[in-house]
Amino acid sequence: DAGITQSPRHKVTETGTPVTLRCHQTENHRYMYWYRQDPGHGLRLIHYSYGVKDTDKGEVSDGYSVSRSKTEDFLLTLESATSSQTSVYFCAISETSGYNEQFFGPGTRLTVL
Amino acid sequence: GDSVTQMEGPVTLSEEAFLTINCTYTATGYPSLFWYVQYPGEGLQLLLKATKADDKGSNKGFEATYRKETTSFHLEKGSVQVSDSAVYFCALSGTGYSTLTFGKGTMLLVSP
Repeated sequence: DAGITQSPRHKVTETGTPVTLRCHQTENHRYMYWYRQDPGHGLRLIHYSYGVKDTDKGEVSDGYSVSRSKTEDFLLTLESATSSQTSVYFCAISETSGYNEQFFGPGTRLTVL
Repeated sequence: GDSVTQMEGPVTLSEEAFLTINCTYTATGYPSLFWYVQYPGEGLQLLLKATKADDKGSNKGFEATYRKETTSFHLEKGSVQVSDSAVYFCALSGTGYSTLTFGKGTMLLVSP
């Protein structure tokens, strides 16, 4: 299994509070991705990174920011959580571009009350 | 933009039945196509892929053929098992892109 961990695995928070989710990899892969999974929507890309300090927006980036200061860590921040951000969040990594396999982490279940 | 359309589920089958999950796509150029599987409580894992027209991807008894003329990548398995119960996602990577576009997923339920 690819070495990808996500923390925390579960989190319950209140509307308006900041939340940071962490993705950590031990594979030294260049690309890292954050997705959210919601019933009826499948997986939707939030942000991705193609190198240290290099990031770009995905399909549903509003309300989210990311940072990547080291190859192994990719942080997703909800500056002020809303109930619409209740979801399961997955991190993925890829050695090269989209032609290659993405490896997924175990997910973080976030509930915003 | 790119898009992937999968048949809605759940698909319910008895063990040893034949499985087909339909997937069609819209994309410019020559995308790569993927099937991912998600078992309960887990992340997604790659099941198979095809990178050019007429390629057949296969793994664990599952197969899918990249049909450019019909823009399809249907997933098939000749004899499903209870352990195949999961959610299956079709996805594509557009030419020159570093991201994947996923379908909404199809849940498969296999009963003994």
